[in-house]
Amino acid sequence: AQTVTQSQPEMSVQEAETVTLSCTYDTSESDYYLFWYKQPPSRQMILVIRQEAYKQQNATENRFSVNFQKAAKSFSLKISDSQLGDAAMYFCALSTSGTYKYIFGTGTRLKVLA
Amino acid sequence: NAGVTQTPKFQVLKTGQSMTLQCAQDMNHEYMSWYRQDPGMGLRLIHYSVGAGITDQGEVPNGYNVSRSTTEDFPLRLLSAAPSQTSVYFCASSSGSAANEKLFFGSGTQLSVL
Repeated sequence: AQTVTQSQPEMSVQEAETVTLSCTYDTSESDYYLFWYKQPPSRQMILVIRQEAYKQQNATENRFSVNFQKAAKSFSLKISDSQLGDAAMYFCALSTSGTYKYIFGTGTRLKVLA
Repeated sequence: NAGVTQTPKFQVLKTGQSMTLQCAQDMNHEYMSWYRQDPGMGLRLIHYSVGAGITDQGEVPNGYNVSRSTTEDFPLRLLSAAPSQTSVYFCASSSGSAANEKLFFGSGTQLSVL
């Protein structure tokens, strides 16, 4: 069975500082994708960043980057220069190639302090 | 570009009532799915479809029914609503393209069953 674990229910960060959200996963498949989705109070699910398992290079999107440790099955999200608009629930997700099923973690609520 | 359109946004039902949550996408995506989001549990897959006429169960299918007669539409039916079905429901779609695999979400439905 595939699992995704987010062990930090809530995190806080000072505005302009850097924060890292943790995610570990388990799968026996070799071809899979990992995602971070953001859910602000509007409830909309927004894709933050995506990583293909076969790529060794960590994905980056502006202030967002990941630390993908395949052997350790770890996929953390780093947010640099945190902004008030980054305050949201963040979900880590795993999808195995060809199955189209996504497994989500329980989420981490990020608070940004002014 | 509408993306994934989900209606209604809010609904209150009485125990035993039935209803249908509508979902439509205009991106010609083959894969569509329904998730429910509950506090502390992340998003859990209810049902999914890999194309018109093809549906399958996800992690929490009991009490829900789906059908997929067209590529665009994927309605979710609650046959006899129960308080345990109080949740936020998301419809999502994906192209299934390995090069760009990701989920596109609707705006969600807040359902309360009294």
